[in-house]
Amino acid sequence: QVQLVQSGTEVKKPGASVKVSCKAYGYTFNNYAMHWVRQAPGQGLEWLGWFNAGNGYPIYSEKFQGRLTITRDTSASTDYMELNGLRSEDTAVYYCAKDTGYSTPVGMNVWGQGTTVTVFS
Amino acid sequence: QSALTQPASVSGSPGQSITISCTAHSSGIGGYNYISWYQQLPGKAPKLMIYDISNRPSGVSNRFSGSKSANTASLTISGLQAEDEAHYYCASYTTGRILVVFGGGTKLTVL
Repeated sequence: QVQLVQSGTEVKKPGASVKVSCKAYGYTFNNYAMHWVRQAPGQGLEWLGWFNAGNGYPIYSEKFQGRLTITRDTSASTDYMELNGLRSEDTAVYYCAKDTGYSTPVGMNVWGQGTTVTVFS
Repeated sequence: QSALTQPASVSGSPGQSITISCTAHSSGIGGYNYISWYQQLPGKAPKLMIYDISNRPSGVSNRFSGSKSANTASLTISGLQAEDEAHYYCASYTTGRILVVFGGGTKLTVL
């Protein structure tokens, strides 16, 4: 069964960092790209970045350049998303989502359960 | 302001058809075919309903269909059912500095 399992709820203080993991099951991990998407309370979806499985490099939304790091551990079939310099507006549910392809964003066909990150002083 | 504009809300009665539009405000979006649509039920992760403008993943009802004309993509739901009540988001690959953009989302109410 294809599924993505994310790490648990995080509560962080402003200025701290958070690292969310996303472990993949049921498919050939290396053959597919992975997106990271977040949703603030009561708001829409926001794309953060992705790991391009075709060239092995991440691409980040301009908005998060310099604060966001996406990495892949092939041996563990796990992707990671680390966001630094947290502020209150980073409070959101963070999702990983597998793409149907490996190097062009076609569509996100499998989603993790979401990780709630609360930034609270 | 999102580069993809969706109506904030649409509604319809059971059995009717509704269409949700998704209009691009950048030529970098309008020229590509990688438009996708997602359904999000309250408290749940989004679910892919349409990709590549008009393709349905396995398991998605054929009541859901997608199309695109010029810079506007559309999601049509026919034979509305109560279980279709949800938020719907379009997304597109772009050549801009944000690789993927989402529309602001549309709340569908089944009357």
